[in-house]
Amino acid sequence: GDSVTQMEGPVTLSEEAFLTINCTYTATGYPSLFWYVQYPGEGLQLLLKATKADDKGSNKGFEATYRKETTSFHLEKGSVQVSDSAVYFCALTPNNAGNMLTFGGGTRLMVKP
Amino acid sequence: DGGITQSPKYLFRKEGQNVTLSCEQNLNHDAMYWYRQDPGQGLRLIYYSQIVNDFQKGDIAEGYSVSREKKESFPLTVTSAQKNPTAFYLCATASTGPNSPLHFGNGTRLTVT
Repeated sequence: GDSVTQMEGPVTLSEEAFLTINCTYTATGYPSLFWYVQYPGEGLQLLLKATKADDKGSNKGFEATYRKETTSFHLEKGSVQVSDSAVYFCALTPNNAGNMLTFGGGTRLMVKP
Repeated sequence: DGGITQSPKYLFRKEGQNVTLSCEQNLNHDAMYWYRQDPGQGLRLIYYSQIVNDFQKGDIAEGYSVSREKKESFPLTVTSAQKNPTAFYLCATASTGPNSPLHFGNGTRLTVT
C-alpha cells in the first residue's frame, strides 16, 4: 500500500540556519503531496502542497518540490526562526482518492535562538 | 481551526468505560475524519464519513464507533474493546473534490487509567 517516510527527529537548529526535512513516498500512480505543521497542543495546519510532478509548493518561506523520479518531497527553508519550532508531517493522497491522506511519522523541529 | 470544535481538550476515563469525543464543524464540509496520533507514529485513520448517514472504517477502526446523523457533527466513541485507548485524537474535515486540503480541529487528549 501507500506509505510516507520522513527523517526521524528531533531536528535541532540555530536561528537563521537552513532547514531540510526529507520525505519520500511509495504510491501507485500520481499522488498529491502535502506538508502539514503541528504547533504544540494544536491540530495540524496545511503548510503547502503539490499535485503533480515538478510542482513546487511554497508558503511562509517554506518550499518543497514534487520529484517523481526520486519519489521525494523534501521540505526546505532558507532561514528558520524560533517560531518555526513544531512537528512537520509529510502526507500524500492517491490520485482520484478524494481527501484520504496517508501521513509520515512526523519530524520535530526545534529552533534555538 | 476556528471552524472545527473538538471537546473536551482533555479527557480522563477509567478502564472499561466507553467515552465519546465530540467534533462539530461550521465549515459546511461534507467529509469528516477521525485520526489517532501516537508519539512517533504519525496519524492513523480511524473512521471517515463522506456524507451524512454514511461512514467507512479506516485503518484502525477496531474498538471505535462513529455516527453521522448531521452534517455538522461526527462523534467518536472509544469503547472498552479498544486495547490501548490513551492517545491524542484529531478530527478533520474537507470539502468535496480531489486534493481539497484537510482542516483539523485542535484535538482531544484522552487518558485511560
